[in-house]
Amino acid sequence: TQLLKQSPQFLSIQEGENLTVYCNSSSVFSSLQWYRQEPGEGPVLLVTVVTGGEVKKLKRLTFQFGDARKDSSLHITAAQPGDTGLYLCAGEGRGDRGSTLGRLYFGRGTQLTVWP
Amino acid sequence: KAGVTQTPRYLIKTRGQQVTLSCSPISGHRSVSWYQQTPGQGLQFLFEYFSETQRNKGNFPGRFSGRQFSNSRSEMNVSTLELGDSALYLCASSAQGGTGSGELFFGEGSRLTVL
Repeated sequence: TQLLKQSPQFLSIQEGENLTVYCNSSSVFSSLQWYRQEPGEGPVLLVTVVTGGEVKKLKRLTFQFGDARKDSSLHITAAQPGDTGLYLCAGEGRGDRGSTLGRLYFGRGTQLTVWP
Repeated sequence: KAGVTQTPRYLIKTRGQQVTLSCSPISGHRSVSWYQQTPGQGLQFLFEYFSETQRNKGNFPGRFSGRQFSNSRSEMNVSTLELGDSALYLCASSAQGGTGSGELFFGEGSRLTVL
């Protein structure tokens, strides 16, 4: 059972376009992390959001944690080819509703391709 | 500081064989987690070790096992390999001492192909 569902699964856009990736769950998480993985490498942490409603910006990337701490979104402005990669969200379990306290649950990822 | 090191990077085995993968965490990190990554299932949690004790375990059969040594290095073993075990096996280390996961630092993975 996948606690976190990411959409879309694949996204192919032109350089300069904006995009949003979604991460949804029926479970509440203590925190939510976003990672990016490039071919042949392991995932690298981009950001951690902890508070419901929290918004964090990292240059052209904007991350938002839902008010109820069940979902999150990643918005990229003016995408560049260097943004290409697999974007993964991961929620930290609270020990209820089938989640184990402290464990990270990963979504299946969104494969983003930005064409020049 | 040096990152997470996984060995071997690539390996090919046949059905029925066993395999041992190794992970050296970032110096000072005491938590090591293992994940299996496949195109169909994404990242699936195998287990987590902290100070030589298994702290969490995912829903994998008993053929998958692991251990952690006193220097925090970890190994995972898969016995009686099946074709479906072909995957990228990722190790991640964390400095988190409590129940929270903290930031995970991943290695580049060991790509296992079972023929």
